[in-house]
Amino acid sequence: SQQGEEDPQALSIQEGENATMNCSYKTSINNLQWYRQNSGRGLVHLILIRSNEREKHSGRLRVTLDTSKKSSSLLITASRAADTASYFCATDQRNTGGFKTIFGAGTRLFVKA
Amino acid sequence: GEEVAQTPKHLVRGEGQKAKLYCAPIKGHSYVFWYQQVLKNEFKFLISFQNENVFDETGMPKERFSAKCLPNSPCSLEIQATKLEDSAVYFCASSLGQGAYNEQFFGPGTRLTVL
Repeated sequence: SQQGEEDPQALSIQEGENATMNCSYKTSINNLQWYRQNSGRGLVHLILIRSNEREKHSGRLRVTLDTSKKSSSLLITASRAADTASYFCATDQRNTGGFKTIFGAGTRLFVKA
Repeated sequence: GEEVAQTPKHLVRGEGQKAKLYCAPIKGHSYVFWYQQVLKNEFKFLISFQNENVFDETGMPKERFSAKCLPNSPCSLEIQATKLEDSAVYFCASSLGQGAYNEQFFGPGTRLTVL
Protein backbone atom coordinates (compact mmCIF):
# COMPACT_ATOMS: atom_id res chain seq x y z
CA SER A 1 0.00 0.00 0.00
CA GLN A 2 0.98 3.66 -0.14
CA GLN A 3 4.12 4.81 1.66
CA GLY A 4 3.45 7.29 4.45
CA GLU A 5 0.05 6.37 5.86
CA GLU A 6 -1.35 8.67 8.50
CA ASP A 7 -3.73 8.01 11.31
CA PRO A 8 -6.17 9.08 12.45
CA GLN A 9 -7.86 10.06 9.21
CA ALA A 10 -9.67 12.86 11.03
CA LEU A 11 -9.24 14.50 14.41
CA SER A 12 -11.44 17.06 16.16
CA ILE A 13 -10.20 18.82 19.30
CA GLN A 14 -10.82 21.94 21.36
CA GLU A 15 -8.58 24.97 21.11
CA GLY A 16 -5.75 24.67 23.62
CA GLU A 17 -5.59 20.89 23.50
CA ASN A 18 -2.73 18.95 21.95
CA ALA A 19 -3.12 17.10 18.65
CA THR A 20 -1.14 14.00 17.79
CA MET A 21 -0.98 12.51 14.31
CA ASN A 22 0.87 9.37 13.34
CA CYS A 23 2.47 8.19 10.15
CA SER A 24 3.73 4.75 9.17
CA TYR A 25 5.81 3.79 6.20
CA LYS A 26 7.13 0.62 4.66
CA THR A 27 10.54 1.07 3.07
CA SER A 28 13.77 2.54 4.39
CA ILE A 29 13.96 6.30 4.19
CA ASN A 30 16.49 9.12 4.18
CA ASN A 31 14.13 11.57 5.78
CA LEU A 32 10.51 12.14 6.63
CA GLN A 33 8.71 15.42 6.18
CA TRP A 34 5.43 16.82 7.46
CA TYR A 35 3.35 19.22 5.40
CA ARG A 36 0.15 21.14 6.04
CA GLN A 37 -2.59 21.89 3.55
CA ASN A 38 -5.17 24.54 4.23
CA SER A 39 -8.45 24.04 2.41
CA GLY A 40 -8.08 24.44 -1.32
CA ARG A 41 -4.43 25.41 -1.21
CA GLY A 42 -1.05 23.80 -1.85
CA LEU A 43 1.14 22.15 0.73
CA VAL A 44 3.26 24.11 3.17
CA HIS A 45 6.39 22.46 4.51
CA LEU A 46 6.42 22.20 8.31
CA ILE A 47 9.40 20.16 9.37
CA LEU A 48 11.90 17.60 8.12
CA ILE A 49 13.45 14.91 10.28
CA ARG A 50 16.39 12.89 9.03
CA SER A 51 16.65 9.15 9.45
CA ASN A 52 19.41 9.50 12.07
CA GLU A 53 17.33 11.88 14.20
CA ARG A 54 14.80 10.76 16.81
CA GLU A 55 13.07 13.99 17.71
CA LYS A 56 12.82 17.49 16.38
CA HIS A 57 11.05 20.65 17.55
CA SER A 58 9.86 23.73 15.74
CA GLY A 59 7.75 26.17 17.73
CA ARG A 60 4.62 24.30 18.83
CA LEU A 61 5.48 21.33 16.66
CA ARG A 62 7.26 18.23 17.86
CA VAL A 63 8.11 15.39 15.51
CA THR A 64 9.43 11.99 16.50
CA LEU A 65 10.83 9.29 14.28
CA ASP A 66 11.22 5.61 15.12
CA THR A 67 12.98 3.90 12.24
CA SER A 68 12.77 0.49 13.92
CA LYS A 69 8.97 0.74 13.85
CA LYS A 70 8.92 2.73 10.60
CA SER A 71 6.72 5.36 12.17
CA SER A 72 6.63 9.05 12.97
CA SER A 73 4.37 11.29 14.99
CA LEU A 74 3.55 14.97 14.76
CA LEU A 75 2.44 16.69 17.95
CA ILE A 76 0.91 20.16 17.86
CA THR A 77 0.77 21.65 21.33
CA ALA A 78 -1.70 24.27 22.55
CA SER A 79 -3.68 24.04 19.31
CA ARG A 80 -5.38 27.06 17.79
CA ALA A 81 -8.33 27.38 15.44
CA ALA A 82 -5.83 28.43 12.76
CA ASP A 83 -4.22 24.97 12.97
CA THR A 84 -7.32 23.54 11.29
CA ALA A 85 -5.96 21.91 8.14
CA SER A 86 -4.94 18.58 6.67
CA TYR A 87 -1.53 17.25 7.65
CA PHE A 88 0.50 14.95 5.43
CA CYS A 89 3.66 13.02 6.02
CA ALA A 90 5.98 12.39 3.10
CA THR A 91 8.91 10.08 2.61
CA ASP A 92 11.58 9.96 -0.05
CA GLN A 93 11.70 6.71 -1.94
CA ARG A 94 14.99 5.86 -3.52
CA ASN A 95 14.93 5.20 -7.25
CA THR A 96 17.69 4.65 -9.75
CA GLY A 97 19.33 8.03 -10.13
CA GLY A 98 17.54 9.76 -7.29
CA PHE A 99 14.44 10.02 -5.15
CA LYS A 100 10.76 10.66 -5.43
CA THR A 101 8.56 11.90 -2.62
CA ILE A 102 5.58 9.81 -1.59
CA PHE A 103 2.74 11.41 0.36
CA GLY A 104 0.21 9.67 2.55
CA ALA A 105 -3.54 10.25 2.61
CA GLY A 106 -3.34 12.84 5.37
CA THR A 107 -5.01 13.57 8.69
CA ARG A 108 -7.74 16.20 8.73
CA LEU A 109 -7.47 18.24 11.92
CA PHE A 110 -10.34 20.42 13.09
CA VAL A 111 -9.69 22.72 16.04
CA LYS A 112 -12.83 24.14 17.62
CA ALA A 113 -12.66 27.63 19.08
CA GLY B 1 9.75 34.52 -9.05
CA GLU B 2 9.53 33.96 -5.32
CA GLU B 3 6.58 31.61 -5.51
CA VAL B 4 5.55 28.70 -7.68
CA ALA B 5 2.93 29.97 -10.10
CA GLN B 6 0.33 27.75 -11.72
CA THR B 7 -2.13 28.59 -14.46
CA PRO B 8 -4.98 28.40 -15.00
CA LYS B 9 -6.57 28.30 -11.58
CA HIS B 10 -9.56 26.37 -12.88
CA LEU B 11 -10.02 24.39 -16.08
CA VAL B 12 -13.18 22.72 -17.31
CA ARG B 13 -13.08 20.21 -20.14
CA GLY B 14 -15.55 17.88 -21.77
CA GLU B 15 -14.62 14.23 -21.74
CA GLY B 16 -12.25 13.52 -24.62
CA GLN B 17 -10.91 17.06 -24.84
CA LYS B 18 -7.32 18.07 -24.22
CA ALA B 19 -6.18 19.88 -21.07
CA LYS B 20 -2.93 21.76 -20.64
CA LEU B 21 -1.65 23.05 -17.32
CA TYR B 22 1.30 25.34 -16.71
CA CYS B 23 3.79 25.80 -13.89
CA ALA B 24 6.48 28.41 -13.35
CA PRO B 25 8.91 27.17 -10.66
CA ILE B 26 10.74 29.44 -8.26
CA LYS B 27 13.67 31.10 -9.98
CA GLY B 28 16.85 29.17 -9.35
CA HIS B 29 15.12 25.91 -8.48
CA SER B 30 16.39 22.99 -10.53
CA TYR B 31 13.67 20.45 -9.79
CA VAL B 32 10.01 20.49 -10.68
CA PHE B 33 7.40 17.98 -9.53
CA TRP B 34 3.81 17.36 -10.59
CA TYR B 35 1.24 15.78 -8.26
CA GLN B 36 -2.41 14.88 -8.66
CA GLN B 37 -4.77 15.23 -5.69
CA VAL B 38 -8.22 13.70 -6.03
CA LEU B 39 -10.96 14.76 -3.59
CA LYS B 40 -8.51 16.28 -1.07
CA ASN B 41 -6.92 12.90 -0.54
CA GLU B 42 -3.36 11.81 -0.99
CA PHE B 43 -1.00 13.46 -3.40
CA LYS B 44 -0.17 11.11 -6.22
CA PHE B 45 3.30 11.70 -7.66
CA LEU B 46 3.21 12.01 -11.45
CA ILE B 47 6.58 13.16 -12.74
CA SER B 48 9.68 15.13 -11.78
CA PHE B 49 12.19 17.12 -13.82
CA GLN B 50 15.76 18.15 -13.26
CA ASN B 51 15.90 21.30 -15.33
CA GLU B 52 14.51 20.23 -18.72
CA ASN B 53 15.23 16.54 -18.24
CA VAL B 54 12.74 14.03 -16.95
CA PHE B 55 14.04 12.79 -13.61
CA ASP B 56 11.38 10.31 -12.57
CA GLU B 57 8.22 9.54 -14.53
CA THR B 58 7.13 6.38 -12.78
CA GLY B 59 3.83 7.96 -11.72
CA MET B 60 2.71 9.09 -15.17
CA PRO B 61 -0.14 7.33 -17.02
CA LYS B 62 1.85 7.57 -20.22
CA GLU B 63 -0.86 6.81 -22.71
CA ARG B 64 -2.60 10.15 -22.17
CA PHE B 65 -0.33 12.27 -19.96
CA SER B 66 2.76 14.11 -21.07
CA ALA B 67 4.89 16.82 -19.52
CA LYS B 68 7.70 19.15 -20.52
CA CYS B 69 10.02 21.65 -18.90
CA LEU B 70 11.72 23.64 -21.67
CA PRO B 71 14.32 26.37 -21.08
CA ASN B 72 12.88 29.87 -20.65
CA SER B 73 9.29 28.56 -20.68
CA PRO B 74 6.84 27.48 -18.00
CA CYS B 75 6.68 23.75 -17.43
CA SER B 76 3.54 22.08 -18.77
CA LEU B 77 1.43 19.04 -18.08
CA GLU B 78 -0.84 17.92 -20.89
CA ILE B 79 -3.65 15.42 -20.78
CA GLN B 80 -4.92 14.15 -24.12
CA ALA B 81 -8.47 12.84 -24.34
CA THR B 82 -9.43 13.62 -20.76
CA LYS B 83 -11.54 11.18 -18.76
CA LEU B 84 -13.90 11.81 -15.86
CA GLU B 85 -11.40 10.29 -13.42
CA ASP B 86 -8.82 12.93 -14.40
CA SER B 87 -10.88 15.46 -12.41
CA ALA B 88 -8.53 16.54 -9.64
CA VAL B 89 -6.34 19.36 -8.44
CA TYR B 90 -2.92 19.24 -10.05
CA PHE B 91 -0.11 20.67 -7.98
CA CYS B 92 3.31 21.67 -9.14
CA ALA B 93 6.23 22.00 -6.74
CA SER B 94 9.83 23.05 -7.13
CA SER B 95 12.96 22.59 -5.07
CA LEU B 96 16.58 23.67 -5.14
CA GLY B 97 17.78 20.08 -5.05
CA GLN B 98 16.00 16.76 -5.07
CA GLY B 99 14.87 14.38 -2.38
CA ALA B 100 16.71 13.95 0.82
CA TYR B 101 17.44 17.41 2.11
CA ASN B 102 15.48 19.76 -0.06
CA GLU B 103 12.09 21.16 0.80
CA GLN B 104 9.52 21.31 -1.97
CA PHE B 105 7.61 24.54 -2.46
CA PHE B 106 4.10 24.06 -3.79
CA GLY B 107 2.01 26.16 -6.12
CA PRO B 108 -1.68 26.88 -5.50
CA GLY B 109 -2.79 24.17 -7.90
CA THR B 110 -4.98 23.94 -10.99
CA ARG B 111 -8.43 22.44 -10.47
CA LEU B 112 -9.37 20.36 -13.51
CA THR B 113 -13.00 19.38 -13.91
CA VAL B 114 -13.88 16.91 -16.64
CA LEU B 115 -17.57 16.81 -17.50
